[in-house]
Amino acid sequence: GAGVSQSPSNKVTEKGKDVELRCDPISGHTALYWYRQSLGQGLEFLIYFQGNSAPDKSGLPSDRFSAERTGGSVSTLTIQRTQQEDSAVYLCASSLPDSPKPRSARETQYFGPGTRLLVL
Amino acid sequence: SQQGEEDPQALSIQEGENATMNCSYKTSINNLQWYRQNSGRGLVHLILIRSNEREKHSGRLRVTLDTSKKSSSLLITASRAADTASYFCAPSSGGSYIPTFGRGTSLIVHP
Repeated sequence: GAGVSQSPSNKVTEKGKDVELRCDPISGHTALYWYRQSLGQGLEFLIYFQGNSAPDKSGLPSDRFSAERTGGSVSTLTIQRTQQEDSAVYLCASSLPDSPKPRSARETQYFGPGTRLLVL
Repeated sequence: SQQGEEDPQALSIQEGENATMNCSYKTSINNLQWYRQNSGRGLVHLILIRSNEREKHSGRLRVTLDTSKKSSSLLITASRAADTASYFCAPSSGGSYIPTFGRGTSLIVHP
């Protein structure tokens, strides 16, 4: 079936502009994660949504970053007043619902191809 | 927060050789996962090992976990050029099961 999709694939913007990045998780996946990866670096956790629970925003680097998830499916990551240090690949992942799948399946994340953001 | 650290940062081998990558972490874990990333884009899940497991296999992959040393290793046997990628370990701890990633090991397999 269809995997996690992200759009756009690439985004070039000017410093100070706002950007919106979109993630479509795998159908039926209730958990959704956003990460970012700077050049040559590991993945930095940003935010986690699980069903109707309050999101875990502990990884968001500043109040310029926000994310929402509408209807428990599509998620949008918004970066306001972009800075050059925001340039990175933004990766989205989703995972299976809590039940009735076995726990190991719930814990496996399926990643999208990412959005490469360049702030000039 | 918990984060895996992979070692070595880079590894270059010939096709057919075995590749071993190590991961260390700091606090008690629920599980530890290994992922592969090609060309700096999406990650592919390889294997998950729980804190009460010591070894798991999947095809040419073998993962070990030593909780006393807070370390894990990924062994790829009979490597192929197609195994060229970055490999990340992602331990998770606490109640949220959010994996946290290190900088990865860049593996190059020469044909």
